[in-house]
Amino acid sequence: GAVVSQHPSWVICKSGTSVKIECRSLDFQATTMFWYRQFPKQSLMLMATSNEGSKATYEQGVEKDKFLINHASLTLSTLTVTSAHPEDSSFYICSPPGTRGADTQYFGPGTRLTVL
Amino acid sequence: QKEVEQNSGPLSVPEGAIASLNCTYSDRGSQSFFWYRQYSGKSPELIMSIYSNGDKEDGRFTAQLNKASQYVSLLIRDSQPSDSATYLCAVNGATSYDKVIFGPGTSLSVIP
Repeated sequence: GAVVSQHPSWVICKSGTSVKIECRSLDFQATTMFWYRQFPKQSLMLMATSNEGSKATYEQGVEKDKFLINHASLTLSTLTVTSAHPEDSSFYICSPPGTRGADTQYFGPGTRLTVL
Repeated sequence: QKEVEQNSGPLSVPEGAIASLNCTYSDRGSQSFFWYRQYSGKSPELIMSIYSNGDKEDGRFTAQLNKASQYVSLLIRDSQPSDSATYLCAVNGATSYDKVIFGPGTSLSVIP
């Protein structure tokens, strides 16, 4: 099945700095990647959809200038949290689209971001 | 606005009992339905997917779908302490590239 990796698995940074999270598809080519955010004891919320070779699509309420998404190749999508603040501390997870009719909706292992 | 609702729990069941998790959704056009298990600090893990009305069984897990009632459930038979986790119901649209909307999750605790 589809394997997705994320790096780093966790990161601690100071307020005001930027953090880049990488999502790599290891055994398939991903033209699209979903980025989710999960606050403690809450469900996953879709932030944006990255598309290889074009601009990302952001969900309502998500600041596109703060959460920069780049889908540079068919195997790499990145999320950069710019000028991070403590309220950005969360669990960020990438996920490729599933294949309808097959049990193949996978998630990356996630990145735990803590902003001090 | 697409919505997926679940009882937040926590739901506590004794070891060996049947755990019943329920989910309702608002978008009648939804085509794909998923149950995920999420341990604390980990990513969700797909347990079951169901696409047509009725029951689907996989080992100790049975997913039930009723599109007319916009209702999907997950039964866990012979519950084990290792089943203790948060269970997320998720709903997809008509195509595989449609957005997956997650419910808030139900916390399940299986008491030895």
